[in-house]
This record gives sequence, structure tokens and C-alpha cells, in this order.
Amino acid sequence: QKEVEQNSGPLSVPEGAIASLNCTYSDRGSQSFFWYRQYSGKSPELIMSIYSNGDKEDGRFTAQLNKASQYVSLLIRDSQPSDSATYLCAVRNAGNMLTFGGGTRLMVKP
Amino acid sequence: DGGITQSPKYLFRKEGQNVTLSCEQNLNHDAMYWYRQDPGQGLRLIYYSQIVNDFQKGDIAEGYSVSREKKESFPLTVTSAQKNPTAFYLCASKTQYVSNQPQHFGDGTRLSIL
Repeated sequence: QKEVEQNSGPLSVPEGAIASLNCTYSDRGSQSFFWYRQYSGKSPELIMSIYSNGDKEDGRFTAQLNKASQYVSLLIRDSQPSDSATYLCAVRNAGNMLTFGGGTRLMVKP
Repeated sequence: DGGITQSPKYLFRKEGQNVTLSCEQNLNHDAMYWYRQDPGQGLRLIYYSQIVNDFQKGDIAEGYSVSREKKESFPLTVTSAQKNPTAFYLCASKTQYVSNQPQHFGDGTRLSIL
């Protein structure tokens, strides 16, 4: 069973702080990694993708990938109340199938 | 505008009834997917299709059926055999033959039992 694990939270951070979301995966053959944001009652929307070891930055978001340790993380700088949502980690394996983690609920307090 | 359209937004099923959820995309994507999401949970794959007239079971296909007669359409039927159908159903699609492409989602259908 290929697994993707996330802490369900909630992760509570004050406005303006850095939120750090983590995800581990079991399939060493995984090739692509995605972070989706899902507001309550809405569908997931893609916010970051990463394919190579290291960091990838896009605005306030930074994705970090470490294939040797089998983890991927998402940092949100200068967190805003509008960032409050559930963040889903998704991992694509060598068979081109996507497996989702259970999501981490982030709460940014004004 | 290109996108994925799911309908209806809300659906109620009576016991013993089959219901069909619609998913249409105009993104010219080859692959389409159906996921189920229960409250506070991640997404679980029900069925997927990588090409017209072909589809594969996902992790939780029992009690569901699909068809893929057209590239643009991938309807999901929740049959009476699915005893716990209450969930949020999400349809997704992506380009199949370009590497590292993400899946994009429709707005979802929320199904409840009457």
C-alpha cells in the first residue's frame, strides 16, 4: 500500500508567522509532488508542484523536497487569515497514479 | 473558459436508487478521475480513465460504475450497492502524455442519503 502521511492538525499560527506543513511518503519510486489548498466545502486547488530535490519558491510559498528522506514540505511565509484551509499533499508514483494524504488543517489567527 | 464542470452541486439519493454524477471537461485532457472525500479525510480514488472507451478501478470502486464514451465526459453512477454513499465527489482531469502535469478538479458534487 503506497501511503502519504500528513499530520491532521489543526496547525495554528499567528498572522504574519511562517506556517510549516509536512508530508511523508512511502513509495521511493515517487516522481512528482503537489500541494493543494482546499477551503471548507470547496474543491482542491493546486498551489505548488515540485519534482527535484531542494526548494522551489513561488511568492509566499516554498515547497521543499528531500527524496532520500521521503518527505516534502510546504512553507507559507507571512501567513494571512485567508490562508486558513486544509492543505493536501499529493504524490505521483512511477505508475503515474496520484495518492493523497489526509490533509493538514491550518488556522491563521489574526 | 476552459474547465471541469460537475453537476449537480448537491444530490440526494433514496434507498435502492442509482444516481449519476456528471463530469464534463473542455480542456482536451486525456485522463479523467473520480475521487470520494469523506469529512476530514483525504481523497480516495474510485475510477479513472486514461483514454476513451477504457477505464480502470481505483481503490474503492465497489458500488460505483463509470463510462467514457467521449473524451469530454466521464459520468459516475453511484449504485444501490454502495451502502454508504454520503460524501463529497470530485472529478479531476489532466493531460496524459506530458510529464509532471498536475490534476485539476471540478467544483464537486455533494451526495446525501434521504
